[in-house]
Amino acid sequence: DTGVSQNPRHKITKRGQNVTFRCDPISEHNRLYWYRQTLGQGPEFLTYFQNEAQLEKSRLLSDRFSAERPKGSFSTLEIQRTEQGDSAMYLCASSLLAAGTQYFGPGTRLLVL
Amino acid sequence: DAKTTQPNSMESNEEEPVHLPCNHSTISGTDYIHWYRQLPSQGPEYVIHGLTSNVNNRMASLAIAEDRKSSTLILHRATLRDAAVYYCIPYFGNEKLTFGTGTRLTIIP
Repeated sequence: DTGVSQNPRHKITKRGQNVTFRCDPISEHNRLYWYRQTLGQGPEFLTYFQNEAQLEKSRLLSDRFSAERPKGSFSTLEIQRTEQGDSAMYLCASSLLAAGTQYFGPGTRLLVL
Repeated sequence: DAKTTQPNSMESNEEEPVHLPCNHSTISGTDYIHWYRQLPSQGPEYVIHGLTSNVNNRMASLAIAEDRKSSTLILHRATLRDAAVYYCIPYFGNEKLTFGTGTRLTIIP
């Protein structure tokens, strides 16, 4: 199965620490998306890439968040100086076409103590 | 983004049809109606989408009202594996899916 993969699946960290998540999209998908989901809510859009270019960022993506997609393949999402409010599921999705079907990974669940 | 209204929760008996409604009265003329579902502890997965005509695929059917202000996702024969949160999402061209809180579907054995 060559679906979207995310690592790690779970992360527990202490407030103030930095964390980094990785997403590997479906190969040949040039669009990659990051979403965040808190308990009881639907996923919320954070940012998206077309190839290596980051084309849109949500206002939810504060200065402590940074996402990269070097070489247009895998992507990383880093959160600096984590806060308890950052605790959530971070979801990655990829797509082949503009406004096409998005294929989601299993997510990384972050708990900030 | 068009606002959607879905029931918070629904229950259905196993092996019976399920009709999941969605109101999207502010939908624009170019928005497709997409449905995704999220099984427990998994990321969302695409179910079906349509513009004006009713659509069928191996997972479900989508019935779209003539005025496009509402739609209904139909699972013809629900199984326990269909227990999930179902999201109705008007979507076109802006690259980001705007999820609401969806409908939590419980299947009763």
